[in-house]
Amino acid sequence: DVKVTQSSRYLVKRTGEKVFLECVQDMDHENMFWYRQDPGLGLRLIYFSYDVKMKEKGDIPEGYSVSREKKERFSLILESASTNQTSMYLCASKGIGTTDTQYFGPGTRLTVL
Amino acid sequence: QKEVEQNSGPLSVPEGAIASLNCTYSDRGSQSFFWYRQYSGKSPELIMSIYSNGDKEDGRFTAQLNKASQYVSLLIRDSQPSDSATYLCAVNGPDSWGKLQFGAGTQVVVTP
Repeated sequence: DVKVTQSSRYLVKRTGEKVFLECVQDMDHENMFWYRQDPGLGLRLIYFSYDVKMKEKGDIPEGYSVSREKKERFSLILESASTNQTSMYLCASKGIGTTDTQYFGPGTRLTVL
Repeated sequence: QKEVEQNSGPLSVPEGAIASLNCTYSDRGSQSFFWYRQYSGKSPELIMSIYSNGDKEDGRFTAQLNKASQYVSLLIRDSQPSDSATYLCAVNGPDSWGKLQFGAGTQVVVTP
């Protein structure tokens, strides 16, 4: 059974704090993704990575950075959290084949005060 | 124009009836199509995938794909209250990294 885990289910931070969201997958997937999901806006891709140390910007990378030092781990970093980054953050992983399924982690609901 | 479009709903369906969800996509080169179910406050989970034209059935779910018309649909037969959720259509994107393009989702409400 594929497992994608995220470090926290709920997180509360203050404006200006540096925030780390961690994601780990156990299926040896090459691709990993970070999304945010807000009511009425659907899933929006922040960053994705197709290999260790490789990353590509998604649709809304501003205010975020990522790190992938090991294949199984993909971290999302909010350098200086702001209230407009309050959201549900979803990590996902996927193999490189076009028919491969994308699996999601349970999500982290981040609140920035 | 969005790359993957779905009606946002809510789609209200009586218990036991068929729910019909539609999704259109813009990239003719798309090869793989997925339906995810997402309960409120939870993450999306895959319920169906389809890769070739026609119908694919799995239990009470049937996915239908028509590449010429660029649409994919999901039928839920004998709808149950537990089917109340948001259903996301996802399409394999045009680049080589297997990045999926997601629709905004259709909310389904099954009423007893």
